[in-house]
Parts: sequence; structure tokens; C-alpha cells
Amino acid sequence: EAQVTQNPRYLITVTGKKLTVTCSQNMNHEYMSWYRQDPGLGLRQIYYSMNVEVTDKGDVPEGYKVSRKEKRNFPLILESPSPNQTSLYFCASSPYGGAEDTQYFGPGTRLTVL
Amino acid sequence: AQTVTQSQPEMSVQEAETVTLSCTYDTSESDYYLFWYKQPPSRQMILVIRQEAYKQQNATENRFSVNFQKAAKSFSLKISDSQLGDAAMYFCAYRRSVNGGSNYKLTFGKGTLLTVNP
Repeated sequence: EAQVTQNPRYLITVTGKKLTVTCSQNMNHEYMSWYRQDPGLGLRQIYYSMNVEVTDKGDVPEGYKVSRKEKRNFPLILESPSPNQTSLYFCASSPYGGAEDTQYFGPGTRLTVL
Repeated sequence: AQTVTQSQPEMSVQEAETVTLSCTYDTSESDYYLFWYKQPPSRQMILVIRQEAYKQQNATENRFSVNFQKAAKSFSLKISDSQLGDAAMYFCAYRRSVNGGSNYKLTFGKGTLLTVNP
């Protein structure tokens, strides 16, 4: 089944404790991205990747890192999480990122930083 | 920068009735894509319908249809014969048609929470 998976689905952590949220897709998509969803703000893009080793900042990249060492994986790294990073995170992928592509979303990761 | 506005934070509809969710957007471009996504309580983001700006014909997917008014920059979603399973948060989103990494992001509105009453 074609899908985007994220792990963990739920995470409660404390300020400053490094964490990684994994994202994997099995559709051989080149384009992947991360969004965060906050009440009253909709979804906002954090980082995106056009292909292996090609990543760039989205609209709200502060406090996050990403890597793209393999085509299928695009982990989101929070090296020193803070409470303002408490949010719902979505990974998304599409074949090439082109305008005509449909983006497929993962199931979301609910992160709470205490 | 493009912006997407959903002016109805919450809407409700009776089962089997029709409801329309509003979305307006701001752009200086002539070609772009518009989307409606559904987010049920499971939080999964599900694509409902998409519209390409250069196509004048309104998109339709079963009970879901849009009213795309390009000059007014309006993109409303009509749900006919509403069902209990339609209850969800609905997001309107915009994407540029220009190629290039930063152009591929979706710009979302804040969402409209739809309640379906039995």
C-alpha cells in the first residue's frame, strides 16, 4: 500500500531533550516536506526536500533540522525542543513536487514539549 | 506572498442537507492550484478536491463540488447530502503553478470545523 508513515504518533518530552520524528514514504517520491499545524494557524511548512541531499527552509524553520540521506526517509530533528514547538506535525510527499502533483500526507505526530 | 482566508471557524449542517464552506485567497498570479483538504478526528489529511486556475469548469468529486470565482478570488466548497462522516476540519489551500522548490508548498487557511447533526 502506498503510504507515508511517521513515528512516533505521539510524543511527550521535556525542554531541551533532543528528539527525532521519522518520516518514510514507499512511493519513490522525490519531494518531501514537513508542516506543523497549530490551532487558528492552519498548516505551515517547516522544511522541504527536492531530492536526496537537497533540503531547504520553509516558512517556519527555526528550531528544526532535517536530513535527506535516502530518498524514502526525511526525518525532522529538534535538537533542543521548547514548549513553543508543541504542535501537530505532518510529513508530506509528492512525485516531483511539481504544481500538478498531489501531496500525500502522513498520519501526523502529536508532540508535547513540557 | 499568497494568503488564504477561511472566514468561518465553525459551521454546522443537518444530515442530508447541503452546506457551503467559504475560502478566499490573495494572489497576483494568474495560474495556480487550489485544494480542499479534510481532516477528520483521526487527524489524517485527506485531499477532497482540487481546482486548476486556468480551468474555468468547477471541479466535482461525487457529493463535493466547488464554486471557483477567479476574478473574486473565491473558492467555496459545497457538500451535498451531508453525511455524519463528513464531520471534520476542512482546510482550503493554495499552491503556485511555477516550478521550483519553494513554490511547491501548500499555503493553508486556518480551517473550518464542520459539524454534522443527525
